[in-house]
Amino acid sequence: KAGVTQTPRYLIKTRGQQVTLSCSPISGHRSVSWYQQTPGQGLQFLFEYFSETQRNKGNFPGRFSGRQFSNSRSEMNVSTLELGDSALYLCASSYYPRGGAAGRNTDTQYFGPGTRLTVL
Amino acid sequence: EDQVTQSPEALRLQEGESSSLNCSYTVSGLRGLFWYRQDPGKGPEFLFTLYSAGEEKEKERLKATLTKKESFLHITAPKPEDSATYLCAVLRGAQKLVFGQGTRLTINP
Repeated sequence: KAGVTQTPRYLIKTRGQQVTLSCSPISGHRSVSWYQQTPGQGLQFLFEYFSETQRNKGNFPGRFSGRQFSNSRSEMNVSTLELGDSALYLCASSYYPRGGAAGRNTDTQYFGPGTRLTVL
Repeated sequence: EDQVTQSPEALRLQEGESSSLNCSYTVSGLRGLFWYRQDPGKGPEFLFTLYSAGEEKEKERLKATLTKKESFLHITAPKPEDSATYLCAVLRGAQKLVFGQGTRLTINP
C-alpha cells in the first residue's frame, strides 16, 4: 500500500505571499491531520479533517487554513507568509470507518515526508 | 495543559551499548502514547502505540514500556542504522497528537 504523499517537497516563497500544500492520504484513510515542525517549537498540531469537515484545530492564527476533498485528499493554505512560517509541514493520515467512530484502530497516524517551506 | 518531556535531548552510544530513552507526560484522559522515529529530512515513522500501564511492545532491538507517568524506549545492542531522532507523543482526544521535543540518538560504529 502506498504511503502518505505530499507535494511539493520543497518550496521557497517571500514574505506576504500565500502558499498551498497538498496531501494524499493512504488509500482507505479518511482522517488527515496537519502538523508544523520547527527546531524551536518541535511538532505542533495545526488541524484535522474528516469527511471534508474540520474536526479539530490547534493554536495557530487564521492565516493557516485547510480543506479536504471527497476523495480524502487535503490541502492546507498559508496566507500572508511571515518569516516565522518557515518550517517542515507534515501531513498524517489515519483510518476511520464510515461512521467516524474512534477506536484503537483509528488512533495511529502515519506521516508523509513533509513539505519544506522557506520564507525569505 | 498537556505536556510531554523527553530526556535526554541527545544521546551518543557505541555500537552494542544498550540504553533507554525517557518520555514523561502530564495529561488527563490519556488515550494512547506513541513512539515515532524520524530521520533527517523525513517524516516521522510509526514505531509503537501503548495504551495502559504495564503494557510493553517490542520490535527488533527496540522495546517500549508504559507506566502511569512515563514511557521508556529501551534500545538493546544498537547498530549505527538506529541513529535517528525518537519522538514520543500522547493522544488525548480526537486526532491531536502532542509531541515531546525528541531525543537525538547517535550510534557510533
